[in-house]
Amino acid sequence: QKEVEQNSGPLSVPEGAIASLNCTYSDRGSQSFFWYRQYSGKSPELIMSIYSNGDKEDGRFTAQLNKASQYVSLLIRDSQPSDSATYLCAVTMGNTPLVFGKGTRLSVIA
Amino acid sequence: ETGVTQSPTHLIKTRGQQVTLRCSSQSGHNTVSWYQQALGQGPQFIFQYYREEENGRGNFPPRFSGLQFPNYSSELNVNALELDDSALYLCASSTWDNEQYFGPGTRLTVT
Repeated sequence: QKEVEQNSGPLSVPEGAIASLNCTYSDRGSQSFFWYRQYSGKSPELIMSIYSNGDKEDGRFTAQLNKASQYVSLLIRDSQPSDSATYLCAVTMGNTPLVFGKGTRLSVIA
Repeated sequence: ETGVTQSPTHLIKTRGQQVTLRCSSQSGHNTVSWYQQALGQGPQFIFQYYREEENGRGNFPPRFSGLQFPNYSSELNVNALELDDSALYLCASSTWDNEQYFGPGTRLTVT
């Protein structure tokens, strides 16, 4: 069974804080991992990709991957109200290009 | 914004009818994937096309079919529409690295 699990939230953080979003996946052979941001009524927007164990930083975003634990996370530093959205974790599994979690709703409170 | 476009934006159909959704991929991308996103859920993979051939399919019945054209644009066809087919249909284009970029989607309502 191809599964990606995320806490649905909502996750509420104050403006300027660090938001931490987590994701686990079922296929130990997965090699490609992505985070998408989806605003209400809009389509998913790719914000991070990660392929190797460890951390990958891009501006205020850091993706972390631990393949042994089958765990991916996304940290958002200095959270802004404009970061309020649903964050989707997606994993490549077998012949399926992307298996998505249900998403975590993030609310950044000004 | 990505360079992926989809049409139409919204569509209302009656149960039993057929629908065709269209997608133009981003310049330089040769792979198109289609996803269905129900309200409150993550997108679910329908199928993928690479160089005009179906290159993988998710757990969707045969009444969901597709095409890819030489210019890498694509169509999704759904026959015998059911109420549960009401969803946001997303097209994504990519290259070999599988970083997929989504179009704005088509909102389909089946009544």
